[in-house]
Amino acid sequence: GAGVSQSPSNKVTEKGKDVELRCDPISGHTALYWYRQSLGQGLEFLIYFQGNSAPDKSGLPSDRFSAERTGGSVSTLTIQRTQQEDSAVYLCASSPQGSYGYTFGSGTRLTVV
Amino acid sequence: AQRVTQPEKLLSVFKGAPVELKCNYSYSGSPELFWYVQYSRQRLQLLLRHISRESIKGFTADLNKGETSFHLKKPFAQEEDSAMYYCALSRMDSSYKLIFGSGTRLLVRP
Repeated sequence: GAGVSQSPSNKVTEKGKDVELRCDPISGHTALYWYRQSLGQGLEFLIYFQGNSAPDKSGLPSDRFSAERTGGSVSTLTIQRTQQEDSAVYLCASSPQGSYGYTFGSGTRLTVV
Repeated sequence: AQRVTQPEKLLSVFKGAPVELKCNYSYSGSPELFWYVQYSRQRLQLLLRHISRESIKGFTADLNKGETSFHLKKPFAQEEDSAMYYCALSRMDSSYKLIFGSGTRLLVRP
């Protein structure tokens, strides 16, 4: 596609439910990143995928968070048993291999009530 | 640990006034530094990177290793510069992972 596509754009969920957030990167971009943007905070790194290498999961805040990237393209970020502190905007970015040229998606605004 | 600090949450200036958005970093190696911008209802996008030593939309930023700073400057602010600005650091390893500051909202008043 022309840009990084994220869905849904908004998600309201009840505390304790699981949610899945989707990211469709730019075709040909081998690197994919997930960040979380909380109110008053910066962008917090969550996880990074590069080609077929093992993902860098060092930023995932707890074991309730997981992500996968199928076929080196679409990625899904899953949050299990959501908590109110998970409320944030979740941003996905992709870039060509060996590049800082991130292209960000428009994000998914998650609200846990 | 690497850290990026943007001490100002909000910076308000009048049109035509000079602007300086502060960014300090902590990192023991040689970092690469960036400024990203997010205009209202738009996606986060790269504004400039220090290694390019370029001026984008009239903005410049100089890396000061002695002060570990990478402040963003513009001599004459325009209303269209109003946006959220994020400073970011990369460790220059193979991951190209960026560490972001908490952001500064710039408001340019007419």
